[in-house]
Amino acid sequence: AQKVTQAQTEISVVEKEDVTLDCVYETRDTTYYLFWYKQPPSGELVFLIRRNSFDEQNEISGRYSWNFQKSTSSFNFTITASQVVDSAVYFCALSVLDFGNEKLTFGTGTRLTIIP
Amino acid sequence: EAQVTQNPRYLITVTGKKLTVTCSQNMNHEYMSWYRQDPGLGLRQIYYSMNVEVTDKGDVPEGYKVSRKEKRNFPLILESPSPNQTSLYFCASSFGTPGNEQFFGPGTRLTVL
Repeated sequence: AQKVTQAQTEISVVEKEDVTLDCVYETRDTTYYLFWYKQPPSGELVFLIRRNSFDEQNEISGRYSWNFQKSTSSFNFTITASQVVDSAVYFCALSVLDFGNEKLTFGTGTRLTIIP
Repeated sequence: EAQVTQNPRYLITVTGKKLTVTCSQNMNHEYMSWYRQDPGLGLRQIYYSMNVEVTDKGDVPEGYKVSRKEKRNFPLILESPSPNQTSLYFCASSFGTPGNEQFFGPGTRLTVL
């Protein structure tokens, strides 16, 4: 069975600080995909990034960066120089093929509050 | 505009009164699914559909039904709602190959009294 653990339920940081959101996953599949989604206070879910299991290259997009490490089954998300607009709930998710069907499992989310 | 729409956005109902939440996408996506979001539990998949007339249970299917008669529509049916189905519901769609990003609808907040 697949599992995604986001151990940090809530994080608060002062604006301009860096913050890292942790994501640990469990799967026996060798082919899988990892995602991060953002849910701002308005409630919609916004896709941030996708990474497949064969691509361990880290990714940077502006102030956002992602660190994928298969050795520790982690896919952590770092926001550099945080801003108030980064305040949201962030979800990590894992996608695997389950008897030919795609199975998507979400973590419980991390609520990030940026204090001005 | 590419989008997933859900209706209604808000619904307050009473125990046992059948209801349907509609979901429609205009991106020609094969894969559609329903999730419920509850505090501390994240998003849990209720049902999903790989294509027309193909549906399967997710992690929490009890008390729900779905159908996929057309590619663009994937309604969620609660035959006899109960208070433990009070939740925020999201419909999502994506292309059928594994690993594609999910496009989410705006959510439906359901309260069952």
